[in-house]
Amino acid sequence: DIQMTQSPSSVSASVGDRVTITCRASQGISSWLAWYQQKPGKAPKLLISAASSLQSGVSSRFSGSRSGTEFTLTISSLRPEDLATYYCQQTNSFPHTFGQGTKLEIK
Amino acid sequence: EVQLVESGGGLVQPGGSLRLSCAASGFTFSSYPMTWVRQAPGKGLEWVSLISGSGEITYYGDSVKGRFTISRDNSMKTLYLQMNNLRVEDTAVYYCAKCFVGYYYGMDVWGQGTTVTVSS
Repeated sequence: DIQMTQSPSSVSASVGDRVTITCRASQGISSWLAWYQQKPGKAPKLLISAASSLQSGVSSRFSGSRSGTEFTLTISSLRPEDLATYYCQQTNSFPHTFGQGTKLEIK
Repeated sequence: EVQLVESGGGLVQPGGSLRLSCAASGFTFSSYPMTWVRQAPGKGLEWVSLISGSGEITYYGDSVKGRFTISRDNSMKTLYLQMNNLRVEDTAVYYCAKCFVGYYYGMDVWGQGTTVTVSS
């Protein structure tokens, strides 16, 4: 199975900050990576698919990129409503494994 | 409105069985693969299973293979997860989710989740 390693496991940032979350795959997954946002007590929400394709209705403050087997989710200017846990998921091969999550806190 | 509503969760003893259901509305159900994802209390997301739009192709995570069976009834627009030989570590919120496009683009619609507790 492909292992997905997210870093950091938690991050605390201020409103207006730029935040970067990284996800590394244990083997090549092409660009088959999705990012999700999960707010407390809620179901996950798809933010980005195919590494960099922003879902309709998602703020343009969110962006995704790929460099080899390393993927990055960037929030360009943090807002209070971004408080959530963020997960990556590889969709290249089954099982479609998730990263362990990154908890984003607002200072 | 595109919607998924899970049901069937509850308390079950170790070794027992449970069947979860997920009722879909607002989209052409048979056109999309569907998945089950679970989340143990205080833990991250774990991918459980996927079924193709026709129901002919299924995939499972290693931790549930041989114990869980995913199925669908396209005429009823309903997804199922039959869970047998349940273990304490299967305790989780179970979400059904619709695949965005095919198998590769993630899941764009999620249900609210149904809670399964395995305990004696």
